[in-house]
Amino acid sequence: AQSVTQLGSHVSVSEGALVLLRCNYSSSVPPYLFWYVQYPNQGLQLLLKYTSAATLVKGINGFEAEFKKSETSFHLTKPSAHMSDAAEYFCAVSDGRGGADGLTFGKGTHLIIQP
Amino acid sequence: KAGVTQTPRYLIKTRGQQVTLSCSPISGHRSVSWYQQTPGQGLQFLFEYFSETQRNKGNFPGRFSGRQFSNSRSEMNVSTLELGDSALYLCVSSSRGFATEAFFGQGTRLTVV
Repeated sequence: AQSVTQLGSHVSVSEGALVLLRCNYSSSVPPYLFWYVQYPNQGLQLLLKYTSAATLVKGINGFEAEFKKSETSFHLTKPSAHMSDAAEYFCAVSDGRGGADGLTFGKGTHLIIQP
Repeated sequence: KAGVTQTPRYLIKTRGQQVTLSCSPISGHRSVSWYQQTPGQGLQFLFEYFSETQRNKGNFPGRFSGRQFSNSRSEMNVSTLELGDSALYLCVSSSRGFATEAFFGQGTRLTVV
């Protein structure tokens, strides 16, 4: 069984500040990990994914995430927040079978950017 | 290449009615999954179809059903609508390859009144 815990349903940062969104996972097999972003009334867009290559993964829009096996974490960061980053962010874990049914999502973190 | 297309984008139905939602996956993708997204429950897996066969099903009542056609297009149907069925329904397309990511459609916003 696999699960994802996202710490903090809402995170507020000032424009230009560091963004840190936390994700911890549980998986009985080596996981594949994903971060998705969702803008209002839209589907989810892939930000980045970890598939057992480099532990530091760079994604779109300046985001990156680091896979830490010892901490079972896959936190998402961005050095400098922009107003356009305001959205809902979802961490997901896959058992590697591929296909969306193998994805387990966290509850999501709403990122608020203060001007 | 074209993305995942869901129709309609918005829908308002009356309690007790039924509804059919449509999804056209990315060309070449044979897996189509459906998720329900609500503020309270988050993203919940409904079912997955692969080559016209339902491979997995989430924990939803039998009022929720789906099918996939030979061209990989998929439909999901909800009968006897309840107020609690109001949600964003997301279709997900994937190739089911190694560590493939899932491509989401923009969703259909269903409101049951």
